[in-house]
Amino acid sequence: AQTVTQSQPEMSVQEAETVTLSCTYDTSESDYYLFWYKQPPSRQMILVIRQEAYKQQNATENRFSVNFQKAAKSFSLKISDSQLGDAAMYFCAYRTLNTGNQFYFGTGTSLTVIP
Amino acid sequence: GAVVSQHPSWVICKSGTSVKIECRSLDFQATTMFWYRQFPKQSLMLMATSNEGSKATYEQGVEKDKFLINHASLTLSTLTVTSAHPEDSSFYICSARDRRGQYNQPQHFGDGTRLSIL
Repeated sequence: AQTVTQSQPEMSVQEAETVTLSCTYDTSESDYYLFWYKQPPSRQMILVIRQEAYKQQNATENRFSVNFQKAAKSFSLKISDSQLGDAAMYFCAYRTLNTGNQFYFGTGTSLTVIP
Repeated sequence: GAVVSQHPSWVICKSGTSVKIECRSLDFQATTMFWYRQFPKQSLMLMATSNEGSKATYEQGVEKDKFLINHASLTLSTLTVTSAHPEDSSFYICSARDRRGQYNQPQHFGDGTRLSIL
């Protein structure tokens, strides 16, 4: 099974500053999808950004962007101009294209935004 | 956007009780739904994949007889925790995949159910 690793259990950032959350994964598949989800205290899972593995161009979504390094199996999330509402748990997720199309989640990074 | 409704959002019950949690896709059909369990400050752990009209596929270590899954229609999957005990207390989240969806589409998550067994 695929494994997803987030090596930073907790991170903090000053409001308006930039922060990068790390994610690495292990897979033998050549094609797959990667996602970042945000889980605020309400515990609702909110999609932040997605990346197709076959695309070399890094995905961007407003203040959120990724640095996808396929060879290194790395998928980091950069949050620019951090806002108080960005405070949440962030989960990196891998989606297989095999039967079932399951998601595999990392252990999460708790992001604190300091006013 | 796509919405997944999960009910109930919070349930407290006595040990030995069976508890049913519903997961509904409100504006799309879902041939596949997923059930996750999340302990405090931990990640989502996939419990099982629920397939419409067929048996669920359980992840290793998940007791099939303990966590009964039924996916009787394209818009509803249920998870029943049978004879629940305090160690079953957790946050349970379902997600659904639109049957028309491409592989790059995200799963649509329910808001979760907080289960507390006394």
